[in-house]
Amino acid sequence: DVKVTQSSRYLVKRTGEKVFLECVQDMDHENMFWYRQDPGLGLRLIYFSYDVKMKEKGDIPEGYSVSREKKERFSLILESASTNQTSMYLCASSLQDEKLFFGSGTQLSVL
Amino acid sequence: ELKVEQNPLFLSMQEGKNYTIYCNYSTTSDRLYWYRQDPGKSLESLFVLLSNGAVKQEGRLMASLDTKARLSTLHITAAVHDLSATYFCAVGTGANSKLTFGKGITLSVRP
Repeated sequence: DVKVTQSSRYLVKRTGEKVFLECVQDMDHENMFWYRQDPGLGLRLIYFSYDVKMKEKGDIPEGYSVSREKKERFSLILESASTNQTSMYLCASSLQDEKLFFGSGTQLSVL
Repeated sequence: ELKVEQNPLFLSMQEGKNYTIYCNYSTTSDRLYWYRQDPGKSLESLFVLLSNGAVKQEGRLMASLDTKARLSTLHITAAVHDLSATYFCAVGTGANSKLTFGKGITLSVRP
């Protein structure tokens, strides 16, 4: 059974903290993605990666960075968390031009 | 910039009746995906539509794609309570499976 695992289901952080969100997939997929989901705004792409050590900005990359040192792991980093980064974060992976498989999401609250 | 519009954003459906929801997109694409999200859960893939005229059916749901009109429809036959969820369409552009999502349509089935 395919699996995309996000390390935390709920996370509470303080303004200014550095935050790491981890995502691991066990399907040997080339592509991995980070989206954030906000009520009324749908899903918006933050960053994606199509290969190890490769990354591309999505639609809303400001305030975020990513790391992909191994094929199965894609990390999202909030360098200095702010309250407007409170959101649901969804990781996904896929083969080339195939459908996305999503993780269960991390609800991040920044206080 | 690719825009994906779904309408309506909320639909209250009566059990047993038929409904159609729509997904419009603004630039050429030959890949369209439908996802379902239950409250508090992640996204689950429903359909992958990869060519003009593609039609896919599963249970009471049928999705179709008209690439010339840049329109996909999701038809619901004889709505039942289990179909209550938020439905997202997503359009693929460029390489590497990058998807742009609509804001989602929340369906609620009432007796």
